[in-house]
This record gives sequence, structure tokens and C-alpha cells, in this order.
Amino acid sequence: SAVISQKPSRDICQRGTSLTIQCQVDSQVTMMFWYRQQPGQSLTLIATANQGSEATYESGFVIDKFPISRPNLTFSTLTVSNMSPEDSSIYLCSAQDRDQPQHFGDGTRLSIL
Amino acid sequence: GENVEQHPSTLSVQEGDSAVIKCTYSDSASNYFPWYKQELGKGPQLIIDIRSNVGEKKDQRIAVTLNKTAKHFSLHITETQPEDSAVYFCAAKGGSYIPTFGRGTSLIVHP
Repeated sequence: SAVISQKPSRDICQRGTSLTIQCQVDSQVTMMFWYRQQPGQSLTLIATANQGSEATYESGFVIDKFPISRPNLTFSTLTVSNMSPEDSSIYLCSAQDRDQPQHFGDGTRLSIL
Repeated sequence: GENVEQHPSTLSVQEGDSAVIKCTYSDSASNYFPWYKQELGKGPQLIIDIRSNVGEKKDQRIAVTLNKTAKHFSLHITETQPEDSAVYFCAAKGGSYIPTFGRGTSLIVHP
């Protein structure tokens, strides 16, 4: 199964600033995703990161707030822009290759003061 | 779209007992059902999955059953150990490549 590394693992940020989270997969995968998980809650899909084209965002999430890059088949970034305390959450990267199961990184724990 | 209900939200058992977590789904086209275990400070880890052409699958102390007619599937953990304590998520996936997750079950195994 794919090994997924996320950086940073946690951060504390000031409101109004932006943070970019990196996700590296140890093998080429067709699909990469970004999720948000509030403490004690389930997983909410933010967007699908498409290689070479704009990400596909779920309802309630917009590109201006969560710009995503995917320059190749093993790497993606998620930026949380103009952060407010409501953005405090765990952000998870996941990867899936064709009919294989979806695998997750360990997440980035983000707190905004 | 797909809707996945998961019960119970919290499950407390004694070490050595069995634990059962149940999920129902709404989309009859769903054909893949993974289960994830999430330990504190970690991401969800796939522990077992089942496809719609199979009714049951086992892996050591873990088993998953699927009832397509009733549209429900369950995770069974036998001989529970303290290290089984975690949050467990079920998911269902059909025509879309994106699975729908349940709300999670916090399993607590008391030594």
C-alpha cells in the first residue's frame, strides 16, 4: 500500500495568515484527496487534487480559501488561506490508485489563534 | 448521493469480549465497503474491506459481513485487546470514486 507523508504534522498560526501543507506519496497514484476532520468528527472531503488541472472542490469549499496544487503523480499541496479560528482542524491527505483502497497520511493538526 | 449511518457512536467492552460495529448505506449501487481504524494522533488506517460479491471476509480477529439486500455491513472484532481501542470508520463506495464515510465509533477496551 502507498505510504503517505504530510508536512507539517502540526502548527499554530496567527489569524489572517496562510499555511501550505505538503503531501508526498511514495508511488505514483491516479487520485489524491484532501479532507478536513474536526476533533471527534468524521472526514469531510474538501477537494480532489487533479494532476495538471484545477482541483475539484466539494460543496462549501472554494479555491480562494483552499488553493490546491498537484504538479505530478506523487505530490500535492493544500493551502489554508486567510485563516480564522474556525479553520482549526485536522487536515488529511489521501491517495488512491485505480481500484485500490484509499490510504491516508497522518494529518496536519492546525490551530489558529 | 450515498448516505452512511454508523452505530454505536461509542462502544465500551472488557478485554477479551467481542465488539460489533454496524453500518447501513442508502445507495444500492455501492459495491465496496472499507473499514478504517484511527488511533489518536494518526490518520485512518485501512484494516479490512469487502466487495459486494462477497458476504463475509475474515482477517485473524477481525471480520466484516455484508448484507446487500438489507444494505448493511458490520465489523466484528473478537478477543478484543486494549490496543484495539481507537475510532473506527466504515465507508461505502459505488459509481463515484469517492467513498462516503460513517460518523465513526469510539471503541474503548478496558483491561
